[in-house]
Amino acid sequence: DSGVTQTPKHLITATGQRVTLRCSPRSGDLSVYWYQQSLDQGLQFLIQYYNGEERAKGNILERFSAQQFPDLHSELNLSSLELGDSALYFCASSAPGTSGGGTQYFGPGTRLTVL
Amino acid sequence: GESVGLHLPTLSVQEGDNSIINCAYSNSASDYFIWYKQESGKGPQFIIDIRSNMDKRQGQRVTVLLNKTVKHLSLQIAATQPGDSAVYFCAESPRRALTFGSGTRLQVQP
Repeated sequence: DSGVTQTPKHLITATGQRVTLRCSPRSGDLSVYWYQQSLDQGLQFLIQYYNGEERAKGNILERFSAQQFPDLHSELNLSSLELGDSALYFCASSAPGTSGGGTQYFGPGTRLTVL
Repeated sequence: GESVGLHLPTLSVQEGDNSIINCAYSNSASDYFIWYKQESGKGPQFIIDIRSNMDKRQGQRVTVLLNKTVKHLSLQIAATQPGDSAVYFCAESPRRALTFGSGTRLQVQP
């Protein structure tokens, strides 16, 4: 158990809908990262937050957004969902002072299925 | 269980043998490298890391070798066990985010 929690574990929805994925980092970690893992794309970095502020952006679509709250949990919002958004979404966190250059610990993931 | 990457290269080894998983990284500015293990249906799990000022680092049953000249990373697993069966990813970090390789599936035959 990495100490990173994600909810829900599974999510099934329809095209055009909007969903919210939630992540709680390890105790004491300030950085939260979101990744998408699909069968043909591997692990793709989406976005990073550090202590409530956006720190880095990767291949995140405009239909997707994220935020990190004062209690450091983070939410990833996916809107206007398409079939191709079906994937595993992972959250990771890292310790203070290691933003990007330190070990990231991953949660168990949320499996999103868009029908 | 969850299938990660239908077309991953696969390394098949006998239980008790040593395994070597290779990875080529792309960014010469990367200064930090990590190996992750991902079992079916689970998130990536940290195995071992190495910084660019080192060539080799050893952990428990695992060794990571870094060759910066050819931008190559390898993970050696000693006395491979059935529980080592998983997909292994290398990741590089030039600054903030990790860039993951496509992964290698390790199958351990009893």
